[in-house]
Amino acid sequence: DSGVTQTPKHLITATGQRVTLRCSPRSGDLSVYWYQQSLDQGLQFLIQYYNGEERAKGNILERFSAQQFPDLHSELNLSSLELGDSALYFCASSVAWGTGELFFGEGSRLTVL
Amino acid sequence: QKEVEQDPGPLSVPEGAIVSLNCTYSNSAFQYFMWYRQYSRKGPELLMYTYSSGNKEDGRFTAQVDKSSKYISLFIRDSQPSDSATYLCAMRAMDTGRRALTFGSGTRLQVQP
Repeated sequence: DSGVTQTPKHLITATGQRVTLRCSPRSGDLSVYWYQQSLDQGLQFLIQYYNGEERAKGNILERFSAQQFPDLHSELNLSSLELGDSALYFCASSVAWGTGELFFGEGSRLTVL
Repeated sequence: QKEVEQDPGPLSVPEGAIVSLNCTYSNSAFQYFMWYRQYSRKGPELLMYTYSSGNKEDGRFTAQVDKSSKYISLFIRDSQPSDSATYLCAMRAMDTGRRALTFGSGTRLQVQP
């Protein structure tokens, strides 16, 4: 158990809908990362937050947004969903924002029908 | 061309074999190199973390970095069925804004009893 909690574990929705994925980092970790994992693209970095502030942005679509709240939990919002958004979404956390040691949650599997 | 290339496998070996997993990369700014292990339906977990060129050993695992060739390797000695997983290489640069990890697509390893 990495200490990172993600909900929901599974989510099935329709195209055009909006979903929110939630992540609670390990106790004491200030940095949260979101990654998307699909069969053909591997693990793709979406966005990073540190202590409530956005620190780095990767290949995150404009339809996607995220935030980190004062209690350090984070949410990833995916809107106007398309079939191609079906993937595993991982949250990871780390103590600092420059470290490579990330602790991953078990992921949220999103299926868009 | 992807920044990090990794043979997807699957790689199937008998128990006790020495396994060699490799990644090549194109970004010369990468300075920190990691190997993550991902079991089916789980999030990745950090296995090895190295800085710059050289070798690092941890039990049955040895990580090797050759920055001149932009090539990293993970060796697993006396492989066990419990090593069956997907192995992801990851790396990052030091410059501001690029502190997130870039992952390879992963190599699926199967160790046959």
